[in-house]
Amino acid sequence: KAGVTQTPRYLIKTRGQQVTLSCSPISGHRSVSWYQQTPGQGLQFLFEYFSETQRNKGNFPGRFSGRQFSNSRSEMNVSTLELGDSALYLCASSSGGLNEKLFFGSGTQLSVL
Amino acid sequence: GNSVTQMEGPVTLSEEAFLTINCTYTATGYPSLFWYVQYPGEGLQLLLKATKADDKGSNKGFEATYRKETTSFHLEKGSVQVSDSAVYFCALSEGGTALIFGKGTTLSVSS
Repeated sequence: KAGVTQTPRYLIKTRGQQVTLSCSPISGHRSVSWYQQTPGQGLQFLFEYFSETQRNKGNFPGRFSGRQFSNSRSEMNVSTLELGDSALYLCASSSGGLNEKLFFGSGTQLSVL
Repeated sequence: GNSVTQMEGPVTLSEEAFLTINCTYTATGYPSLFWYVQYPGEGLQLLLKATKADDKGSNKGFEATYRKETTSFHLEKGSVQVSDSAVYFCALSEGGTALIFGKGTTLSVSS
């Protein structure tokens, strides 16, 4: 069974640009969650999508958005990039039930210059 | 609000030493507790979990007991191996996928 796949693995952008990250969950999983990992703030929850609907949202500005397609693949978009958006963005998939195990991808390393 | 505090690292041990990584939490309800591990260049993997007070999670020789009276979920292993070198994260959840993580503890094991 293939794991969670995130693309691209690395991205370099400049301030003011926008970026789209992609996540393909494990086959059969309907929930995709996104996390931001930085040395200063650690791991922080961005949002979760379940069956194409945003089910939960963390405390991030509106520049961070996402969507989920009918095949459960998800994309995350960050507009008007700031230097502080430089981070490892991790995607996790699960079946979506309570206390279900999350399966994480290897992440997309975003650098904003 | 809910939060997780875990001991600062790095923790440096020799092979076969005993490991303890402390984790305490603050929560308004009755959270589930988790330990995740992150190996270099990889995403996080669930190591173990406990969903109610006094539950003990265990996996690959690691153990942690959900202690409601001390709001703790300390990770222990009796004999660490070089392959255990990684970053360990304590986390809590109120039931969904919105985990609240601690800052992580880096473990380095030498032979």
